[in-house]
Parts: sequence; C-alpha cells; structure tokens
Amino acid sequence: QVSLQESGPGLVKPSETLSLTCSVSNGSISFYYWSWIRQFPGKGLEWIGYVLYSGSHIYNPSLKSRVTISVDTSQNQFSLKLNSVTAADTAMYYCARGRLGVVPFDYWGQGALVTVSS
Amino acid sequence: QSVLTQPPSVSAAPGQKVTISCSGSNSNIEKNYVSWYQQFPGTAPKLLIYDNNQRPSGIPDRISGSKSGTSATLGISGLQTGDEADYYCGTWDSSLNIGIFGGGTKLTVL
Repeated sequence: QVSLQESGPGLVKPSETLSLTCSVSNGSISFYYWSWIRQFPGKGLEWIGYVLYSGSHIYNPSLKSRVTISVDTSQNQFSLKLNSVTAADTAMYYCARGRLGVVPFDYWGQGALVTVSS
Repeated sequence: QSVLTQPPSVSAAPGQKVTISCSGSNSNIEKNYVSWYQQFPGTAPKLLIYDNNQRPSGIPDRISGSKSGTSATLGISGLQTGDEADYYCGTWDSSLNIGIFGGGTKLTVL
C-alpha cells in the first residue's frame, strides 16, 4: 500500500516562502503524476499543481507566479514551494497521487497544517 | 467559489438512500471523468468513485456514481451513521487546465 507523508514548517511568516516535502513509501514515484492540494479552514479544496516523475509540471494559474513543484526520484520525494505567502495561504496542505493520470487522486498524505502569521 | 456546484448539506435516515449532485459545465464534467471523495473530520479525503462510476477496491457496492451531460451524482444506499462525512466531487477542467473540486456536501444520517 502506497503511503505519502508531508513534512515541513507549520508556521511561516508573511512574505516568506512556504516549503513542504512529500515522501512516498511502498511504491515508486516513477510513472505517476504527483499533486499538491490545499484545503482552507472553510473546507474548500484547491488544486495547486502537479509534477510528473520526469519533472514536467502544470500549476494552477491562480498561483502560477508563486509556485514551484519539483521531484527528486532518487529520494522518492516531491516538493512544494510557495513564495510571498499571506494569511490567505493558511491551509491544510495535502500531497496526493494521480491514478493513471493527473486526476483522480487515489492516495493522499495525512496533510500538513501551515499557518501564515508573524 | 468552487467551479463545481454541490448542495451544502443533505440528510436522510439510517437505511435510506441519499444522492448528492455535482453540477459543472461542458469544459469539465461533460468532457472528463468525475471522481468522488469522502472526508471525515481531521482526516484526508478518500477516493470513493473514479471514472464516473468505478469503485476502488474495498469500497462497498452501496456506493454508486453516475454522470449525465454536465452533472454527476453520488448515491449512497443503506445509510449508516458511519457514512456521516463531507463528500466532494472532482474532475479536470479542459479550459482552465486545472484539477477542480466541488465545494463539498455534508451528509447527516438522522
């Protein structure tokens, strides 16, 4: 059973960069699409973007100028960087695997709560 | 505001059947497969239905999905108190080129 685990700081200051890593266990990061999804306190879900094992990616245009998603196949990990954060970026951040494509998401991490506050 | 529209809440008695609707457009639901997710408080969403009506291994057949035109529906029959959760629809939007979700529906089993 594939397992995903997010890691990274739970508190980020405004204007700084949010950085999270997703470690994939019991399965290869190759041949799948890997996404970051966030859930706001009001419960809405927002897809941030994906990276393929090859490194190709697509980002949500609403975040495109601030987002970088990268993959490290040697470590079986992929990462999210979101710069110039504000309080509006406070959310639960999930990493997830695409089932045979970008969507749907068949495996999810447990989530990492990130709060943006000074 | 979500691209896909779901009712904020639905309710039904134990043993009954409930349906949850998800309304989209010709650039998302009409062109692409729909999936459904179940989320309990404090946990990650879990895939319930993919490719409009397919169940992953371990999902009981009292869970069903369907799609027609620009709308999709999740059905849950034989309701149990353990089904109380939030349910989200999701798909790809071919115009926006992004993954999208509905706003979520809270199911209450009375």
